[in-house]
Amino acid sequence: EAQVTQNPRYLITVTGKKLTVTCSQNMNHEYMSWYRQDPGLGLRQIYYSMNVEVTDKGDVPEGYKVSRKEKRNFPLILESPSPNQTSLYFCASSWAQDSPLHFGNGTRLTVT
Amino acid sequence: AQSVTQLGSHVSVSEGALVLLRCNYSSSVPPYLFWYVQYPNQGLQLLLKYTSAATLVKGINGFEAEFKKSETSFHLTKPSAHMSDAAEYFCAVRTSGTYKYIFGTGTRLKVLA
Repeated sequence: EAQVTQNPRYLITVTGKKLTVTCSQNMNHEYMSWYRQDPGLGLRQIYYSMNVEVTDKGDVPEGYKVSRKEKRNFPLILESPSPNQTSLYFCASSWAQDSPLHFGNGTRLTVT
Repeated sequence: AQSVTQLGSHVSVSEGALVLLRCNYSSSVPPYLFWYVQYPNQGLQLLLKYTSAATLVKGINGFEAEFKKSETSFHLTKPSAHMSDAAEYFCAVRTSGTYKYIFGTGTRLKVLA
């Protein structure tokens, strides 16, 4: 089944403790991206990648890192999480510029 | 900078009534426009997309949207609401030549029996 898989679905952590949220797609998509969803703010793009080893900042990249060493994987790294990074995170991928985004089921992160 | 405005964070309609969800965008060049739907505890799913082929775009589940360049709008409509349409709807824009997406703040649709 074609899908975007995020792990974990739920994560509770403490301020400053490094964490990684994984994202994997099995559709051979070139493009992958990360979003955070907050009430009243919709989805905001954190980082995106157009291909292996090619990444770029979205609208809210501060406090996040990404890497794209393989085409199928695009992990999101929070080196030193803070409470304002408590949010619902989505990974997405697509074939090309005019093709739709395929979303994962989300990761709900709570930083205390 | 690109922006997307969705008027109305919450919309309620009766079952069988017309659904109209509004989206306006700002773009100096013709953009790619999308409507996505999000059901509880799920990721977003594509409803429909505009990529300049036709101004009236038909999507899944009976939804359609009309691109009006003069009004910079891409409103989503459905002639007759069904209980299963209750969800949150997001309008999104991507400028041609980039992979940068801008999403609206979402409209939560409630369908009343």
